[in-house]
Amino acid sequence: GENVEQHPSTLSVQEGDSAVIKCTYSDSASNYFPWYKQELGKGPQLIIDIRSNVGEKKDQRIAVTLNKTAKHFSLHITETQPEDSAVYFCAARGFQKLVFGTGTRLLVSP
Amino acid sequence: EAGVTQSPTHLIKTRGQQVTLRCSPISGHTSVYWYQQALGLGLQFLLWYDEGEERNRGNFPPRFSGRQFPNYSSELNVNALELEDSALYLCASSWVGQGGDYGYTFGSGTRLTVV
Repeated sequence: GENVEQHPSTLSVQEGDSAVIKCTYSDSASNYFPWYKQELGKGPQLIIDIRSNVGEKKDQRIAVTLNKTAKHFSLHITETQPEDSAVYFCAARGFQKLVFGTGTRLLVSP
Repeated sequence: EAGVTQSPTHLIKTRGQQVTLRCSPISGHTSVYWYQQALGLGLQFLLWYDEGEERNRGNFPPRFSGRQFPNYSSELNVNALELEDSALYLCASSWVGQGGDYGYTFGSGTRLTVV
């Protein structure tokens, strides 16, 4: 079945810096790769997603890139703000379910 | 548009008891997924329902079960509760179109504490 690895587990940046979170997946048939932001006490919130027929997608300060050959996808956050502090999960849609990475705790210091 | 709603938000149960958690998907979504998130850990897939049928289940014992109703809402039942069942239980819904899932959205979860 699908397996998703996510790195780093924690990431500390200064406000205004960029943050990059990387994920790898195992199932070459996976075709949908969403990213979620989870704040304390809340459910995960979809922030951006990409499908396997697209290599890059951008939404304001957030971008996702996908390398199907290497089975890598990454989340890029530019001009980070303290409100970006949260746990971020990547996911890949394997056979009949979404498989999540283990999460990255992002801390943005003012 | 209302999001995915889950009830109750918090629950405390005693070991050995049974619990039922409820989820109402976004209007128009036919698929409901259940995940378990233990404290400080990732999301573990529990169950997937679509059009009233169980389509897939994760690596959990049979005392975790559920169902989906004709209005696409869903229940998750856990029998013979154990201490390690303490977790945040998350429901997500989506609709299936050409090319796969769309609108995969989570609710805020039910925090279950087993004592």
